[in-house]
Amino acid sequence: DQQVKQNSPSLSVQEGRISILNCDYTNSMFDYFLWYKKYPAEGPTFLISISSIKDKNEDGRFTVFLNKSAKHLSLHIVPSQPGDSAVYFCAALILGSQGNLIFGKGTKLSVKP
Amino acid sequence: GAGVSQSPSNKVTEKGKDVELRCDPISGHTALYWYRQSLGQGLEFLIYFQGNSAPDKSGLPSDRFSAERTGGSVSTLTIQRTQQEDSAVYLCASSLAGLLGRQETQYFGPGTRLLVL
Repeated sequence: DQQVKQNSPSLSVQEGRISILNCDYTNSMFDYFLWYKKYPAEGPTFLISISSIKDKNEDGRFTVFLNKSAKHLSLHIVPSQPGDSAVYFCAALILGSQGNLIFGKGTKLSVKP
Repeated sequence: GAGVSQSPSNKVTEKGKDVELRCDPISGHTALYWYRQSLGQGLEFLIYFQGNSAPDKSGLPSDRFSAERTGGSVSTLTIQRTQQEDSAVYLCASSLAGLLGRQETQYFGPGTRLLVL
């Protein structure tokens, strides 16, 4: 059973508008949630993380919101730029002696000029 | 089987000294990652190795930080001239084939708790 789910395989947004990428999880024990961005033929790059004890973390144009009661998080990109077009992966982590970082399947974001 | 191990588990050092942190990934895992967990700062990505090469060093906070991996196995993270703001838990993770092409579970070690006085 998938513990981290990104139900939208793709999203298309106009340049300058807000992009909202969603992620749902099933395990309430996750300590951290991370977002990665991946361009074709490149490895993912880390974007932003949020601790499970917080509900919001902001870094420039990127903000991640966490709703623990709904087991849902979202990444907001505003304003969206064509260079943001990539695949975005949500990941969740349980810390500990054998903590695992578990990834969702990704959402492909296309930002149109 | 054996998981990811890190040493030392705790390290206390004086400001200005160099420290070396070690990570032993799960045997056969080609990808290795370093993260930092600072109090109140969340989890930061530092560097990622695919084999012995590091395609993503974007998270290293300054040129005082460096990392290497030899033989596709053990990695060391070196912090030169440590500062108090370097105090954190340094976490290492490994995955079977790395992030290229598809996502995989990363297996984390217990971390090294670094305190710079």
